[in-house]
Amino acid sequence: DADVTQTPRNRITKTGKRIMLECSQTKGHDRMYWYRQDPGLGLQLIYYSFDVKDINKGEISDGYSVSRQAQAKFSLSLESAIPNQTALYFCATSDLSGTGENIQYFGAGTRLSVL
Amino acid sequence: LAKTTQPISMDSYEGQEVNITCSHNNIATNDYITWYQQFPSQGPRFIIQGYKTKVTNEVASLFIPADRKSSTLSLPRVSLSDTAVYYCLVGERRTNAGKSTFGDGTTLTVKP
Repeated sequence: DADVTQTPRNRITKTGKRIMLECSQTKGHDRMYWYRQDPGLGLQLIYYSFDVKDINKGEISDGYSVSRQAQAKFSLSLESAIPNQTALYFCATSDLSGTGENIQYFGAGTRLSVL
Repeated sequence: LAKTTQPISMDSYEGQEVNITCSHNNIATNDYITWYQQFPSQGPRFIIQGYKTKVTNEVASLFIPADRKSSTLSLPRVSLSDTAVYYCLVGERRTNAGKSTFGDGTTLTVKP
């Protein structure tokens, strides 16, 4: 969904390097999420944020940190990248519609390789 | 946290109706059932959501029996472009994040 933009789209880095993945959205949603997807597997939730002051750990938060700089921006950092963090990373947003559906809208993903 | 079980893969042919069933035996009273579609190297996309009985939109139908321990996503007259991974999620709607997981999904392959 073009309303959720992830940068960069592809990144190759070395073990031990710090890296930041950025996500911005123009949907005006309060909720933002970071997921990781390994080849052939489903998505695993890393962190989620219900608003600027609310950040929560997901299933696999170890080795990651996040920053919610504004309603529209949610960044994911790997403080010291390791090879098993090589994966496809997705940012998503959601909000409660009038009918309360809480549908998640995903960005195009960032493919990260840690050598 | 409601765990979901789906078939790993399914094959179909163009023009056929496809039904993908998801089991969620420990679904909670406030949980809703949501299905997403994912194409390779793209983020998942919402298909349909329901609580009970039947829900239909322009893309699919969702059938949920009275006991809500399973649900079936029905795709009418599939085409090659419906080849994708389909995920079933179960979670409480207002606090869905962190309380539902995507699982490994069902890989649907539509053949000519």
